[in-house]
Amino acid sequence: DGGITQSPKYLFRKEGQNVTLSCEQNLNHDAMYWYRQDPGQGLRLIYYSQIVNDFQKGDIAEGYSVSREKKESFPLTVTSAQKNPTAFYLCASSPGTYTDTQYFGPGTRLTVL
Amino acid sequence: AQSVTQLDSQVPVFEEAPVELRCNYSSSVSVYLFWYVQYPNQGLQLLLKYLSGSTLVESINGFEAEFNKSQTSFHLRKPSVHISDTAEYFCAVGGYGGSQGNLIFGKGTKLSVKP
Repeated sequence: DGGITQSPKYLFRKEGQNVTLSCEQNLNHDAMYWYRQDPGQGLRLIYYSQIVNDFQKGDIAEGYSVSREKKESFPLTVTSAQKNPTAFYLCASSPGTYTDTQYFGPGTRLTVL
Repeated sequence: AQSVTQLDSQVPVFEEAPVELRCNYSSSVSVYLFWYVQYPNQGLQLLLKYLSGSTLVESINGFEAEFNKSQTSFHLRKPSVHISDTAEYFCAVGGYGGSQGNLIFGKGTKLSVKP
């Protein structure tokens, strides 16, 4: 089945540690996105990538980093510079043009202790 | 730039009653609009979208939304809800001519359907 996978579903880390969230898609989509979701805040865009080896900052990129070395993969690293990293992180992909539907993964809930 | 406002954070309703979830947007360019649904601890799923053409769009499970340019609204409606419709609903707006990835989401409306 085609889709987007995110792993792990739940992640616990100590304060000050970097952590990498995985996002893989087998939909052959060109574009991929990372969002952060906090209760009552909706979704906020962290980074997006339209093509391999290229990505752009979203609205809340500070304290995060990404890479796009393969079309299928778009990992997100939450660095120690992110002041409040505890949140639900959602990865999405779309075929490519900006009016295309974005398809979402199941999410990773990160808790920093 | 675009912005979107979902006017109700929570909407409780009884089963088989009609429901309307409100969404208003602001934009200086022509827009395209989406409604997504999120069940607890899951990702978002597309419910319906408006790109152009007919202003009334429908989903396969009985929801519909009408694009109203003069009122800058894209309200979601269902004439008779089921318990299984309990979820959080997000309205999202993008602007033609804007940069890709610039999809702005509302803060969500939690629909709670009671028996």
